[in-house]
Amino acid sequence: DAGVIQSPRHEVTEMGQEVTLRCKPISGHDYLFWYRQTMMRGLELLIYFNNNVPIDDSGMPEDRFSAKMPNASFSTLKIQPSEPRDSAVYFCASRDTNGQGGYGYTFGSGTRLTVV
Amino acid sequence: GESVGLHLPTLSVQEGDNSIINCAYSNSASDYFIWYKQESGKGPQFIIDIRSNMDKRQGQRVTVLLNKTVKHLSLQIAATQPGDSAVYFCAENKGGSYIPTFGRGTSLIVHP
Repeated sequence: DAGVIQSPRHEVTEMGQEVTLRCKPISGHDYLFWYRQTMMRGLELLIYFNNNVPIDDSGMPEDRFSAKMPNASFSTLKIQPSEPRDSAVYFCASRDTNGQGGYGYTFGSGTRLTVV
Repeated sequence: GESVGLHLPTLSVQEGDNSIINCAYSNSASDYFIWYKQESGKGPQFIIDIRSNMDKRQGQRVTVLLNKTVKHLSLQIAATQPGDSAVYFCAENKGGSYIPTFGRGTSLIVHP
């Protein structure tokens, strides 16, 4: 299994531009999570899906952020318009309900976003 | 841009020494605890977990200790190796939600 796949690995964009981050979860995992990691705030949960349905988006910082999961093998996190304070590493994780250890979470390698 | 952030707590050890990484958790109702390892450029990776009905659990070279009285968790790594250099996070969870709350992390540096 290739694990959770995120793209791009690095993204540099100008303030005001739209940014789309992509995630392919592990096949068969029924939960998908988007996290943001910064030195100031650590690892924050933004939103999570169960069986492609958004369950809790209370962590999404503001309306500029949106996430979709059109099918079980793909999710996007979009920021429009982007701002410098959005600079962070964004992680996608998927989880198997029947997974062992740590609730069966598997994280992707992250997308490092820099907004200039 | 992002303002200058806080530096993570850092633990520096020599190769072969034992390492102890500490974590204070916040919710006395939490009943499940997880340690993650995050290497540079990678996402967090599960190491070991413990439920609140236990006070100690051992894995391969790692041991987690739980003290519910003072809401403290520790991760002990035996015979630390350079490959153990990473940021270590503890996470806590209150039963049923399956959504852990992550701590800030501790950076472990192992000197050869």
